[in-house]
Amino acid sequence: DIQLTQPPSFLSASVGDRVTITCRASQGISNYLAWYQQKPGKAPKLLIYAASTLQSGVPSRFSGSGSGAEFTLTISSLQPEDFATYYCQQLYSYPVTFGPGTKVDIK
Amino acid sequence: QVQLVESGGGVVQPGRSLRLSCAVSGLTFSSYSMDWVRQAPGKGLEWVAFISYDGSNKYYADSVKGRFTISRDNSRNTLYLQMNSLRTEDTAVYYCAKTWEFAFDYWGQGTLVTVSS
Repeated sequence: DIQLTQPPSFLSASVGDRVTITCRASQGISNYLAWYQQKPGKAPKLLIYAASTLQSGVPSRFSGSGSGAEFTLTISSLQPEDFATYYCQQLYSYPVTFGPGTKVDIK
Repeated sequence: QVQLVESGGGVVQPGRSLRLSCAVSGLTFSSYSMDWVRQAPGKGLEWVAFISYDGSNKYYADSVKGRFTISRDNSRNTLYLQMNSLRTEDTAVYYCAKTWEFAFDYWGQGTLVTVSS
């Protein structure tokens, strides 16, 4: 199975900060990587697919990059509604796996 | 608009069974693969099962293989998860999700399954 890690698991930031979240795969997964945002009590929301393609309706302050085994999600200017937990997911092969999540909290 | 609505969750004793449903509207259900994903209280996301658009291919997480069965009724636009021999560690919110090659692009609101004596 392909393992995903997301250091750090917790990140404190302020409104307006540029935030970068990392996802590392245990093997190469080409660009079969997605990013999700989840708020408490809600279903995950797709932000980025194919490593760098912004899902329709998602603000342009979100961007993704990377290929192979290392990926990043960047929020260019953190907004109050962006405080949430972010998960990466690989769809290169089944079993599909998710990273453990990075919680972005208010500094 | 696309809607996925799960139902069937509840409190069940260990060893018992439960069937979850996911009613899908707003898209051509029979054209898309579907997955179930769960999230234990305070934990991360765990993929559970996959079914292809026509039901011909199914995959399961090792943690549920042999106990859970995914199925679909394309005439009713509904996805199912039959859960047998439930364990306390199966306690979670269960989400259905529409899937394609690069992501799970639509999710239901989730249904809570609590396995407890």
